[in-house]
Amino acid sequence: QKEVEQDPGPLSVPEGAIVSLNCTYSNSAFQYFMWYRQYSRKGPELLMYTYSSGNKEDGRFTAQVDKSSKYISLFIRDSQPSDSATYLCAMTYSGAGSYQLTFGKGTKLSVIP
Amino acid sequence: GAVVSQHPSWVICKSGTSVKIECRSLDFQATTMFWYRQFPKQSLMLMATSNEGSKATYEQGVEKDKFLINHASLTLSTLTVTSAHPEDSSFYICSASKTGRNEQFFGPGTRLTVL
Repeated sequence: QKEVEQDPGPLSVPEGAIVSLNCTYSNSAFQYFMWYRQYSRKGPELLMYTYSSGNKEDGRFTAQVDKSSKYISLFIRDSQPSDSATYLCAMTYSGAGSYQLTFGKGTKLSVIP
Repeated sequence: GAVVSQHPSWVICKSGTSVKIECRSLDFQATTMFWYRQFPKQSLMLMATSNEGSKATYEQGVEKDKFLINHASLTLSTLTVTSAHPEDSSFYICSASKTGRNEQFFGPGTRLTVL
């Protein structure tokens, strides 16, 4: 079993839809959870950062962490064509050397106008 | 802000030559920098972790003599691909963490093509 599982998609949704992206993980030590957005041929951009369980909202983006289920989600409301990208979940913990991140494989999202 | 730059953004070189890639944190001090490579349609693969003033820690399977990393200051790390071969062609991305924090901020990447 991989440490972090993420459905690679591709996921296609119409403009304005609510998008739900998810990752599951197996290492209960993970404490810090991040979502990155990566456009084609660009470096990943940090979207959301959360610590432990709970929700965090930033504009159209909401990140949820359920440590009891080892499950994290990213919701995108009112999706736009500009949201079309690959979304990577990442996580780490204080015992990981220099806080190395463990990444999911990424989900490719297309928002159709 | 947390801006990380990379230079060059793309490079084409002949087999056997060496290529240096620079990674700079522009508006913060980065105690730790990371180097990744990414193949098409795949996720990021960590190559090494670089701490300012000390030797880099390489991941299993990454040749430290081939991929030389220098983290000489709190804002600059360099990756030198020595004696590059076509199989080294890839997208190389660096990231940096602010001192005392664990979020990583990524550079825009460098596309290396070895002919």
